[in-house]
Amino acid sequence: QQQVKQSPQSLIVQKGGIPIINCAYENTAFDYFPWYQQFPGKGPALLIAIRPDVSEKKEGRFTISFNKSAKQFSLHIMDSQPGDSATYFCAAILNTGGFKTIFGAGTRLFVKA
Amino acid sequence: DGGITQSPKYLFRKEGQNVTLSCEQNLNHDAMYWYRQDPGQGLRLIYYSQIVNDFQKGDIAEGYSVSREKKESFPLTVTSAQKNPTAFYLCACSSGRRITGELFFGEGSRLTVL
Repeated sequence: QQQVKQSPQSLIVQKGGIPIINCAYENTAFDYFPWYQQFPGKGPALLIAIRPDVSEKKEGRFTISFNKSAKQFSLHIMDSQPGDSATYFCAAILNTGGFKTIFGAGTRLFVKA
Repeated sequence: DGGITQSPKYLFRKEGQNVTLSCEQNLNHDAMYWYRQDPGQGLRLIYYSQIVNDFQKGDIAEGYSVSREKKESFPLTVTSAQKNPTAFYLCACSSGRRITGELFFGEGSRLTVL
């Protein structure tokens, strides 16, 4: 019930391509959905986030699409660059007095020059 | 600049030894967390603390201990009871004043047991 399923596990695209990472959840009590970007040997950093009452959010080349009825959300990276090569984690946050974050398993993205 | 600092970045330990990882934040955030990350895997919650002098076990607390004596600090001790301690450890914090709860991570500490 509290899992977040993320796919694919890894992804290779050419420079300029549009990688898409998908996540699905079951618990409708989740009320915030952040994405984190992690470079090798570093801690994850918040990339972009969305509330479930919004269907799309864009920040620069990064876009989240959210389908509340399907309980799915995805990250699109427009005009991908080699510098975008990293691991991406989707997450879902539950507010039960304190916040609980459930992470997806992560997607390793490699953008070829 | 506000942030969250973990130390040391790399740590080597002999089997049977306890080791303590430091985590300090100056973001004035109420909640702090410890996660473990194994190669190619996601983030697993070890312990978390929402206020000073209080903390709760996460999903994989066995073999670990924490303290929260100050708001800014949340050290993690990896004890000899932890069977497979070699991993990348991440500390994070979040503000209880925000209604969204997103996490801010440190740079991580890589522990290797020899």
